[in-house]
Amino acid sequence: DTGVSQDPRHKITKRGQNVTFRCDPISEHNRLYWYRQTLGQGPEFLTYFQNEAQLEKSRLLSDRFSAERPKGSFSTLEIQRTEQGDSAMYLCASSFGGLKFFGPGTRLTVL
Amino acid sequence: KQEVTQIPAALSVPEGENLVLNCSFTDSAIYNLQWFRQDPGKGLTSLLLIQSSQREQTSGRLNASLDKSSGRSTLYIAASQPGDSATYLCADSNTGNQFYFGTGTSLTVIP
Repeated sequence: DTGVSQDPRHKITKRGQNVTFRCDPISEHNRLYWYRQTLGQGPEFLTYFQNEAQLEKSRLLSDRFSAERPKGSFSTLEIQRTEQGDSAMYLCASSFGGLKFFGPGTRLTVL
Repeated sequence: KQEVTQIPAALSVPEGENLVLNCSFTDSAIYNLQWFRQDPGKGLTSLLLIQSSQREQTSGRLNASLDKSSGRSTLYIAASQPGDSATYLCADSNTGNQFYFGTGTSLTVIP
């Protein structure tokens, strides 16, 4: 399968714990995006990388959130001191040019 | 901030019917617009991408149009099938990077 992959697919954690998600983009794609989606809503932009450089960050990305893309390949999104309001589907997408391809998402539940 | 609205929020049609989904956006200075399909609990599947210089794109039974002057895009689905049942999301971008999503139209095709 040469699509965008995300790991894990589901994560249940207790409030206050740290969690880390991984995204592997389509191999030739230089742009990588993170979005968050809550129930009944469209995805909301969090951040975007071009190669290894993080070029844009949403105000939704509080200082508890950090994203990295070392070597311009896979990316990680870490949430520190999770809160119940962080419960959502975290979606990763990649592109080379305009067409964006999304991964299956990581569903986070914070208890 | 770009606002994207999708009407109707939900739609049920009998199998075989042709249908139109609507998407409107507030800022006509868009770079591109993309239509996606999302199955329950899953990630997004890319359907069609329209660049700002284009009026429409077609793929199989799907046709997407773009009218920047009126701030509207439509997704036309011909000869609907039960397998088309899903939520359809439109998203536009001013820069080609950050996407602004609508809340989607939930489509049910009744056999």
